[in-house]
Amino acid sequence: EIVLTQSPATLSLSPGERATLSCGASQSVSSSSLAWYQQKPGLAPRLLIYDVSSRATGIPDRFSGSGSGTDFTLTISRLEPEDFAVYYCQQYGTSPRTFGQGTRVEIK
Amino acid sequence: QVQLVHSGAEVKKPGASVKVSCKASGYTFTGYFMHWVRQAPGQGLEWMGRINPNSGDTNYAQEFQGRVTMTRDTSISTAYMDLSRLRSDDTAVYYCAREPGAGYFDFWGQGTLVTVSS
Repeated sequence: EIVLTQSPATLSLSPGERATLSCGASQSVSSSSLAWYQQKPGLAPRLLIYDVSSRATGIPDRFSGSGSGTDFTLTISRLEPEDFAVYYCQQYGTSPRTFGQGTRVEIK
Repeated sequence: QVQLVHSGAEVKKPGASVKVSCKASGYTFTGYFMHWVRQAPGQGLEWMGRINPNSGDTNYAQEFQGRVTMTRDTSISTAYMDLSRLRSDDTAVYYCAREPGAGYFDFWGQGTLVTVSS
């Protein structure tokens, strides 16, 4: 199975700053099949990005995804207070679907 | 609007089974795969498997083979996940999630907390 490793585990930033989250895959992710989710405490994950760089419906354009092969990035251009949460990457090109262990974005 | 509504929290003893339901509304239930993903307390997300609500065909993660059964009732647009031989490390929130066709999950249920404790 493809193992996804997210870094850093925790990112401490202030509102208005730029956040850069990384997701590395143990082997190439086929067909750009990578998504990002946001999860807040007590809630289900929410789809942010699919197919590496496509924003899901209703997701603001401060969220962007990039990358290919084994290295992927989620960028939040200017953090808003509601963006402090845990973020997961997921690959769906190869079964089983796998998730990264998450990056927590916390208020500095 | 798309909604996935789970059944309520469960407390089970080790060795027992649990069946979690996920009722879909706001879309054609048979038109989208339904997946199950779990999350242990304070941990990450773990994919368990999926069902094609149209055909009933299933695919399970190897870790759960032999212990998990996913079914559906199309007459009430509801998917079910049955996990047997429960252990304490099965304590988790179990989510259903809809796949719009490409493998990612665009809508999630609110989750069902299953606690396994003697």
